[in-house]
Amino acid sequence: GAVVSQHPSWVICKSGTSVKIECRSLDFQATTMFWYRQFPKQSLMLMATSNEGSKATYEQGVEKDKFLINHASLTLSTLTVTSAHPEDSSFYICSAAHRGTYEQYFGPGTRLTVT
Amino acid sequence: AQSVTQLGSHVSVSEGALVLLRCNYSSSVPPYLFWYVQYPNQGLQLLLKYTSAATLVKGINGFEAEFKKSETSFHLTKPSAHMSDAAEYFCAVSEGAGGGADGLTFGKGTHLIIQP
Repeated sequence: GAVVSQHPSWVICKSGTSVKIECRSLDFQATTMFWYRQFPKQSLMLMATSNEGSKATYEQGVEKDKFLINHASLTLSTLTVTSAHPEDSSFYICSAAHRGTYEQYFGPGTRLTVT
Repeated sequence: AQSVTQLGSHVSVSEGALVLLRCNYSSSVPPYLFWYVQYPNQGLQLLLKYTSAATLVKGINGFEAEFKKSETSFHLTKPSAHMSDAAEYFCAVSEGAGGGADGLTFGKGTHLIIQP
């Protein structure tokens, strides 16, 4: 149980286009979902926190107009990278906090490459 | 602000030897502390967490960690390494009241190598 999926697992896009990444909690409801970014051989950096039905809270230095987060239901959050540039290339990981236990479960990540 | 320092980006041990991965934290309030493991091409998996109960925390796969407030440390140990333990290990801290339901601050990770 407590599985979090991400789609797609990897994506290549051209500079200037937008990319949407989905994060789903498959067998539990998540009050809160988080989006992290991981650069090669570096740690995960929290980008934003999203609660179902409300606006996401972004960490300092994260452009909210560039990284659009929507948390439409208790099982789905999406991250849209708008007008992507090569410097946005990274590994994006989501996590979901279980509604009952508050345990946080991580998705397998999405590798974005912007050419 | 909270922070996590993991000493040693790479740790190599022989199979059957003690595993010790070091983690020091900085927090302005009593923290929640976590160790996660990441295998290649997989998501992070929780090994164990400290939430202000017992200072010695036992996790999965034979790992345990001890919270030492005086040393601001939360080192991860395993008495006998197995080849399957080779992975990336992350220490993380949260100051939120929601326990695990808060954004985490991660250390840079330690790559554990097991020598046969």
